Amino acid sequence: KAGVTQTPRYLIKTRGQQVTLSCSPISGHRSVSWYQQTPGQGLQFLFEYFSETQRNKGNFPGRFSGRQFSNSRSEMNVSTLELGDSALYLCASSRRERATEAFFGQGTRLTVV
Amino acid sequence: GDSVTQMEGPVTLSEEAFLTINCTYTATGYPSLFWYVQYPGEGLQLLLKATKADDKGSNKGFEATYRKETTSFHLEKGSVQVSDSAVYFCALSVPTANNLFFGTGTRLTVIP
Repeated sequence: KAGVTQTPRYLIKTRGQQVTLSCSPISGHRSVSWYQQTPGQGLQFLFEYFSETQRNKGNFPGRFSGRQFSNSRSEMNVSTLELGDSALYLCASSRRERATEAFFGQGTRLTVV
Repeated sequence: GDSVTQMEGPVTLSEEAFLTINCTYTATGYPSLFWYVQYPGEGLQLLLKATKADDKGSNKGFEATYRKETTSFHLEKGSVQVSDSAVYFCALSVPTANNLFFGTGTRLTVIP
């Protein structure tokens, strides 16, 4: 059974640009969550999607957005990139909403220069 | 609010030493508790979990017991190996939220 797949693994973008990251959950999983990991702030929750609806959102500016498709795949978008957006972005999938167990992908390493 | 406080690192141990990483939590209601491990360049892997008080989660020689009276979920391993070198995260989930709350992580280095 394939795990959570995130693409791309690495990205380098320039300040002011926008970026889209993709996450394919484990087959049969309908919940997808996104987290930002930085050395200074640790792991911070961005948002969670279930059945194509955003169920919960962390404390991030509106430049961070996401969506989920009917096949449960999810994308997150960051517009007007700032240097501080450089981070490892992790996606996690669960079978259902508010599940007690989440499975993480390997992450997308975003560097903003 | 809901939060996890985790022992600061880094921790350096010799191979076959005993490991304890402390984790305490604050939560509304009855949380589920987790330990995740992150190897260099990788995402997070679930190491073990416990969903109710006095439950003991175990995996790969690691153990942690859900202690409601002390609001703790300390990670232990009797004999660490070099391959256990990684960052360990304590986390919780609560029924009223859709996300995990993570501790700051503890970097473990095991030297031969």
